[in-house]
Amino acid sequence: GAVVSQHPSRVICKSGTSVKIECRSLDFQATTMFWYRQFPKKSLMLMATSNEGSKATYEQGVEKDKFLINHASLTLSTLTVTSAHPEDSSFYICSASQPGSVTEAFFGQGTRLTVV
Amino acid sequence: ELKVEQNPLFLSMQEGKNYTIYCNYSTTSDRLYWYRQDPGKSLESLFVLLSNGAVKQEGRLMASLDTKARLSTLHITAAVHDLSATYFCAVNFGNEKLTFGTGTRLTIIP
Repeated sequence: GAVVSQHPSRVICKSGTSVKIECRSLDFQATTMFWYRQFPKKSLMLMATSNEGSKATYEQGVEKDKFLINHASLTLSTLTVTSAHPEDSSFYICSASQPGSVTEAFFGQGTRLTVV
Repeated sequence: ELKVEQNPLFLSMQEGKNYTIYCNYSTTSDRLYWYRQDPGKSLESLFVLLSNGAVKQEGRLMASLDTKARLSTLHITAAVHDLSATYFCAVNFGNEKLTFGTGTRLTIIP
């Protein structure tokens, strides 16, 4: 299957700082990527849809100014958590589908963010 | 509202036993996915079900889809310890987004 790489896998940052998470499609071009958030022992919640060359589409209740998404190329989407607070600590996962084949989504390895 | 519900949420079962996880969803879809998640890890794709009556099997796991009943099942046969994980179903409701079920945490007891 296609490969989606997410980096970093773990990050610890201080409150008030910003952290950037990268999601790359390694062997295909992805016009659309998705960002999910997962709290401990909970399911995945879609945060936003990242669209190459245009603004991301955020789900209801997700602060777009706090979670900045940039999809500047067909193989890279980034999620920046700005002015991080301890409540932003979570597991963030990205996914992408191959163009012309929306039947399957491929997931990155996930990023464990801890804000101290 | 687009909803995906799984049951049970927690399941402890002995090795060698059979059990079924259920995934119900709220509105029409013919694209349903099953994933496995180990602690601290991302999702591993298990099955992609794309039509009514679809049945897929891999090892001790078998998944099926009944689009009329809006129900998918994940059946575990003769469970082994390695199958301990959290299992999620997810549904595509026609907009490329996936809506995930609540997850079923499966623990296989020796």
